Amino acid sequence: DAGITQSPRHKVTETGTPVTLRCHQTENHRYMYWYRQDPGHGLRLIHYSYGVKDTDKGEVSDGYSVSRSKTEDFLLTLESATSSQTSVYFCATTPGQGDSPLHFGNGTRLTVT
Amino acid sequence: GESVGLHLPTLSVQEGDNSIINCAYSNSASDYFIWYKQESGKGPQFIIDIRSNMDKRQGQRVTVLLNKTVKHLSLQIAATQPGDSAVYFCAETRPGGGADGLTFGKGTHLIIQP
Repeated sequence: DAGITQSPRHKVTETGTPVTLRCHQTENHRYMYWYRQDPGHGLRLIHYSYGVKDTDKGEVSDGYSVSRSKTEDFLLTLESATSSQTSVYFCATTPGQGDSPLHFGNGTRLTVT
Repeated sequence: GESVGLHLPTLSVQEGDNSIINCAYSNSASDYFIWYKQESGKGPQFIIDIRSNMDKRQGQRVTVLLNKTVKHLSLQIAATQPGDSAVYFCAETRPGGGADGLTFGKGTHLIIQP
């Protein structure tokens, strides 16, 4: 939906290694978000972006960083992966904020061993 | 497949029956609500939304009801089909909350029995 592509779809990595997840959108939406989804929790916001090079922290930002060098791309980096970061990560976009629904990608399943 | 369905409340309905999925939201000041559907291995998909100045909104085979008095939201699916099997969750947006003002519920797993 909204032309959102996440890559990779699946990744297994070892504790302590850096990992970068990619989100690419073709809808020219201004806002982009990274969420994680874990059993027993609702989607939780990691970081979001409100424009090129404009980003801010969400609820669970510790251990994560993001970058947005182009409107269409939003990268999520785990500088040193930990087992607690094993999760499914979703990218989402909206044209505006607050009163329009998010459009989600199909997620990246990350396993940290 | 995705394990998001684990630990969730489950609603099992017969194919063809109507389904009602409930959600209690937390912030009495929230002014915009959304229902999402998530199938196994996929991202959440927008179903329907409603603003706080409305009590009811209808879409194709779906109706959302909002009861602000008791902070309750419900999603009604008419004539449930096998393709409706998924996890459904609500989201609320606090006024002026901005990009980080959205809170998601944990979801309900809807199972359609033939």
